[in-house]
Amino acid sequence: KQEVTQIPAALSVPEGENLVLNCSFTDSAIYNLQWFRQDPGKGLTSLLLIQSSQREQTSGRLNASLDKSSGRSTLYIAASQPGDSATYLCAVRLSYGQNFVFGPGTRLSVLP
Amino acid sequence: GAVVSQHPSWVICKSGTSVKIECRSLDFQATTMFWYRQFPKQSLMLMATSNEGSKATYEQGVEKDKFLINHASLTLSTLTVTSAHPEDSSFYICSATGGYNEQFFGPGTRLTVL
Repeated sequence: KQEVTQIPAALSVPEGENLVLNCSFTDSAIYNLQWFRQDPGKGLTSLLLIQSSQREQTSGRLNASLDKSSGRSTLYIAASQPGDSATYLCAVRLSYGQNFVFGPGTRLSVLP
Repeated sequence: GAVVSQHPSWVICKSGTSVKIECRSLDFQATTMFWYRQFPKQSLMLMATSNEGSKATYEQGVEKDKFLINHASLTLSTLTVTSAHPEDSSFYICSATGGYNEQFFGPGTRLTVL
């Protein structure tokens, strides 16, 4: 059974810092991995989707990497801003058409 | 990206009543829809998988007679919480896929049972 963990559970940093969020999954035979952002009481915002054949994806200040063999992904946020404060969720899919398995999330606070 | 809507966005009901939540794919045909539940300060957990025209597949521990799922068309799936109790209060999110690499998530429905 696929399990997804995220470290750290919570993170508080001053504005401007670069930071790394970590995601681990137990079954390396994934179809794809996706990072989401969730603001309190809100739905999910898709940040980056990495297919199993890809090593990384970039969007603006965000960069996500994927190492399937070791069962790890990292989300790198450059020059953090208070508006980045949210919970970041990592999720994996084992095959096309299947559901996501979500990690518990990392709660990020960026202090002005 | 494709758009998935949910209705209502929030609902408050009395214990013992039934509540229906709709999940619609607005600009694509969703052959499969997933229903997730998220309790406060927890992550999303899959409740059931719904394929158009067939019975939903429920995850272990999810009562199929309590959480009725209907996926009668390629753009609509409904989740009915029957005889709701306070412990059913949660954030319910659907996602839909229809031949894409990506799944698209609805904005969620917050259910509060008094």
